[in-house]
Amino acid sequence: AQSVTQPDIHITVSEGASLELRCNYSYGATPYLFWYVQSPGQGLQLLLKYFSGDTLVQGIKGFEAEFKRSQSSFNLRKPSVHWSDAAEYFCAVGALMEYGNKLVFGAGTILRVKS
Amino acid sequence: SAVISQKPSRDICQRGTSLTIQCQVDSQVTMMFWYRQQPGQSLTLIATANQGSEATYESGFVIDKFPISRPNLTFSTLTVSNMSPEDSSIYLCSVEVEDPALRDTQYFGPGTRLTVL
Repeated sequence: AQSVTQPDIHITVSEGASLELRCNYSYGATPYLFWYVQSPGQGLQLLLKYFSGDTLVQGIKGFEAEFKRSQSSFNLRKPSVHWSDAAEYFCAVGALMEYGNKLVFGAGTILRVKS
Repeated sequence: SAVISQKPSRDICQRGTSLTIQCQVDSQVTMMFWYRQQPGQSLTLIATANQGSEATYESGFVIDKFPISRPNLTFSTLTVSNMSPEDSSIYLCSVEVEDPALRDTQYFGPGTRLTVL
């Protein structure tokens, strides 16, 4: 069965510092991979996705992620964090089912930004 | 992408009652999904609602508890029936848009925050 592991429940970084959020997945075929962000009281916003091709994917708000098949990872990075990046981040794998794509989410990583 | 709205945005309900949550999309979509996010937890898929067919439920979710309607390509409802405090969660709908360039990508509504007393 598909699964996603986000090993860090909380991460705190200083504003202006670099960020890396870890994501490992388990899926038998070539995965569709996603990063979503959820601000307090909000729905989920898509940051970026990987389907195929270039393993370094650029997203919105200055985020990028790198797909590494050998490590089953899809880590999210940002070179310089802003206070507005404080939110919860979810990694997800898309599993193709008979009736459509099912998203399996990781447990999420809460990002705190200190000034 | 798609603009997705949900009603109500939040509600507080008494146990034993039912609540129907609406999801409206600004464009026609084939695939709609309903997720539950329990307090402090990640998202779990409840069911997939495709227009013209019955909803497909994930393991652990049943139609009697979470009946879903999908009357057309822009609208769906999820009912949480006979509620208990354990149903307190955020319920989110999502859609896959028809644009081939955006296929297999789900976009989410703002969610409905439900508290059951």
